[in-house]
Amino acid sequence: AQSVTQLDSQVPVFEEAPVELRCNYSSSVSVYLFWYVQYPNQGLQLLLKYLSGSTLVKGINGFEAEFNKSQTSFHLRKPSVHISDTAEYFCAVSDLGGGFKTIFGAGTRLFVKA
Amino acid sequence: DTAVSQTPKYLVTQMGNDKSIKCEQNLGHDTMYWYKQDSKKFLKIMFSYNNKELIINETVPNRFSPKSPDKAHLNLHINSLELGDSAVYFCASSQGDYQETQYFGPGTRLLVL
Repeated sequence: AQSVTQLDSQVPVFEEAPVELRCNYSSSVSVYLFWYVQYPNQGLQLLLKYLSGSTLVKGINGFEAEFNKSQTSFHLRKPSVHISDTAEYFCAVSDLGGGFKTIFGAGTRLFVKA
Repeated sequence: DTAVSQTPKYLVTQMGNDKSIKCEQNLGHDTMYWYKQDSKKFLKIMFSYNNKELIINETVPNRFSPKSPDKAHLNLHINSLELGDSAVYFCASSQGDYQETQYFGPGTRLLVL
């Protein structure tokens, strides 16, 4: 069965500093990986996704993530954060065995300070 | 134009009442979902419909009943509301299955008193 672990529940960081949000997954088959962002009082929206091909995936708002199969990780990075990046970030996994089901991690709250 | 819309946005009600939440998507997608997000932000799939057919039905009390009148709509009816039902309920849609991006509505904040 699939599962997703987001290793940090909260990540405080100063504006213009780099940030990494960590995500590990488990699955017995090939996986598809996603990062979604949830701004306060809004629904989730896709930042980026990995289906196949290049392991470095670039998304919106300057975010990127790297798929590492040997470490079963899909960490999200941004070289320089802005106050407006303050939000909840969700890593998610789906696979062929799971059918239409996507499993979401518990979320990481990114808090960008001035 | 809102891609995935939900009504109402807020719902405050008493224990034991019955309530419905409506969802509509104008993206032409064939798959729709209901998720529950608890106070700790944990997001859990409840139901999914593909072309009006139920394809995911997680371990959810049978007080919750989804209904999809057509591909663009997925409603959620909740009978005999309990305190533990208080949460944010999100509707989402996608074109196809597990590889596809899901588009989320703004959420319905349900508070059961």
